[in-house]
Amino acid sequence: DGGITQSPKYLFRKEGQNVTLSCEQNLNHDAMYWYRQDPGQGLRLIYYSQIVNDFQKGDIAEGYSVSREKKESFPLTVTSAQKNPTAFYLCASSIPGTGAAGSYNEQFFGPGTRLTVL
Amino acid sequence: DAKTTQPNSMESNEEEPVHLPCNHSTISGTDYIHWYRQLPSQGPEYVIHGLTSNVNNRMASLAIAEDRKSSTLILHRATLRDAAVYYCIHPTNQFYFGTGTSLTVIP
Repeated sequence: DGGITQSPKYLFRKEGQNVTLSCEQNLNHDAMYWYRQDPGQGLRLIYYSQIVNDFQKGDIAEGYSVSREKKESFPLTVTSAQKNPTAFYLCASSIPGTGAAGSYNEQFFGPGTRLTVL
Repeated sequence: DAKTTQPNSMESNEEEPVHLPCNHSTISGTDYIHWYRQLPSQGPEYVIHGLTSNVNNRMASLAIAEDRKSSTLILHRATLRDAAVYYCIHPTNQFYFGTGTSLTVIP
């Protein structure tokens, strides 16, 4: 059963600690993405990766880091430099680029991790 | 700027049709419009996409204006499970999920 998983669903950390959020997919997608969502707001792109061993900053990359050592995995580290890390974090994957008809490909989202920094 | 405009919220009675509008005045002739929805405390899920003509799938229908500057997502019979935030995604910025339209379905 193909899909994208994120763990844990809820995460609590003390201020000043780094924390790593897991994202795994078995959809054989080359592209993966991390978004942040604050209450009542839309999604904001943190980082994205179009292929293994390559990734680019999104709109709000400061205070975050990622790695892409395997196609299936795209972990996100929230560092102590992130001023306001409490949020809902969403991971997604897709076939990169656009399809034959020119439409960009659908993103598949995980269930999200809700991070609370105390 | 490649963004879309949607009403912040809408209400519908259960089992009635719902029409969710979206304005995308900066769209070009070959750009597709995508719609996603996000159920409470879940990640977004794809709903439908289209280019020019109306599109239908098991979840919804998409009506695209002749000038392509607007589109309408149609839920033919709203159920309580359709209560969600619906996002209309501008085709030139697939990473921009604005605040969308929060749909409330009234039993």
